Amino acid sequence: AQSVAQPEDQVNVAEGNPLTVKCTYSVSGNPYLFWYVQYPNRGLQFLLKYITGDNLVKGSYGFEAEFNKSQTSFHLKKPSALVSDSALYFCAVRVTPGNTGKLIFGQGTTLQVKP
Amino acid sequence: DSGVTQTPKHLITATGQRVTLRCSPRSGDLSVYWYQQSLDQGLQFLIHYYNGEERAKGNILERFSAQQFPDLHSELNLSSLELGDSALYFCASSVESGLSLEAFFGQGTRLTVV
Repeated sequence: AQSVAQPEDQVNVAEGNPLTVKCTYSVSGNPYLFWYVQYPNRGLQFLLKYITGDNLVKGSYGFEAEFNKSQTSFHLKKPSALVSDSALYFCAVRVTPGNTGKLIFGQGTTLQVKP
Repeated sequence: DSGVTQTPKHLITATGQRVTLRCSPRSGDLSVYWYQQSLDQGLQFLIHYYNGEERAKGNILERFSAQQFPDLHSELNLSSLELGDSALYFCASSVESGLSLEAFFGQGTRLTVV
């Protein structure tokens, strides 16, 4: 069965410091991986994806993620955190193969950036 | 703004009632997905429609049903509501062409069953 794990319920970081939000996955084929962010009382916003190609993918708002096939990880990173980055972050994997693009989500990681 | 529109934003209803949640996908997107977000279950996939055809079902209760209409909007019907159905229901749409596989989410409908 395909699954996604986000081992940390919460990550705390000081503004200006680098941040990492961890994600590991388990899939039966090639992984299609995504990161989404959810602000309070809002929907999920797409940040970035890995489908194929370079292991380091860049996304919105200065975020990037590193795909590591041997470690089955897709950690979200940002070189310098902002207070406004404080939100709930979800890692997701697209179910493959098949004719559906349904996503399996991790349980979410709350990022708290303190001034 | 993702371009996915969900109505209503909030819904409060009594146990045993039936409600309909509506979703308009982004222009050109043929796929519509429904997800449920609750504190205890997290984000769970409910159902996927592609151009009017049901493509996949998740752990969707028999009391729940959905459809996608010819204009591609979708409705999620929840009946015989129970307190445990209180959750945030998201609709997402995707073009799913080439490498454009990401889904774009609406702002959700917060359902409260009292």
